[in-house]
Amino acid sequence: KNQVEQSPQSLIILEGKNCTLQCNYTVSPFSNLRWYKQDTGRGPVSLTIMTFSENTKSNGRYTATLDADTKQSSLHITASQLSDSASYICVVSAQVGAAGNKLTFGGGTRVLVKP
Amino acid sequence: NAGVTQTPKFRILKIGQSMTLQCAQDMNHNYMYWYRQDPGMGLKLIYYSVGAGITDKGEVPNGYNVSRSTTEDFPLRLELAAPSQTSVYFCASRGPRQFFGPGTRLTVL
Repeated sequence: KNQVEQSPQSLIILEGKNCTLQCNYTVSPFSNLRWYKQDTGRGPVSLTIMTFSENTKSNGRYTATLDADTKQSSLHITASQLSDSASYICVVSAQVGAAGNKLTFGGGTRVLVKP
Repeated sequence: NAGVTQTPKFRILKIGQSMTLQCAQDMNHNYMYWYRQDPGMGLKLIYYSVGAGITDKGEVPNGYNVSRSTTEDFPLRLELAAPSQTSVYFCASRGPRQFFGPGTRLTVL
């Protein structure tokens, strides 16, 4: 069964500090891994997308890593800002038939940045 | 481009009522999806469509129906609303990237 597990479920950090979110997955056949940011009451917004051959990808202060061998990914937030308060969702895509890609969503990590 | 739009934003239904959640995209994407997100849970795929006239079930299709008469629109129909369908519903479309709509918060009492 395809699964995506994220940790921690939630964390609180002080503004300006760094943090790292974890994502472990058992999805096959692997196509790509995405990190989304979801503000409260909004739809998810894509931060990064990585294929099998990519180890790291950055989007501003967000840096995602991927280890396809151990099936782990991380999202690092540098110099956090209050606007980083959101849920961060790891999504792993499997390449399947007519659907193109089947997405398996993690439960998300809720980040709260305090001043 | 407006991206993916959803209406309504909020809705309260009584048990047994029916309604249609609207979704539209203006990016000419073939792939469109409906997800539900329960509190603290990941998104679950309800139905998807790979193009106009083609739809298929996702993980949790029971109690829902969809249609895809045009590339732009992908409405989700609830025929007999049940409390278990209280959730936030997200529509998405996919080209090279996937875009999500703002969501519809549905409460069934």
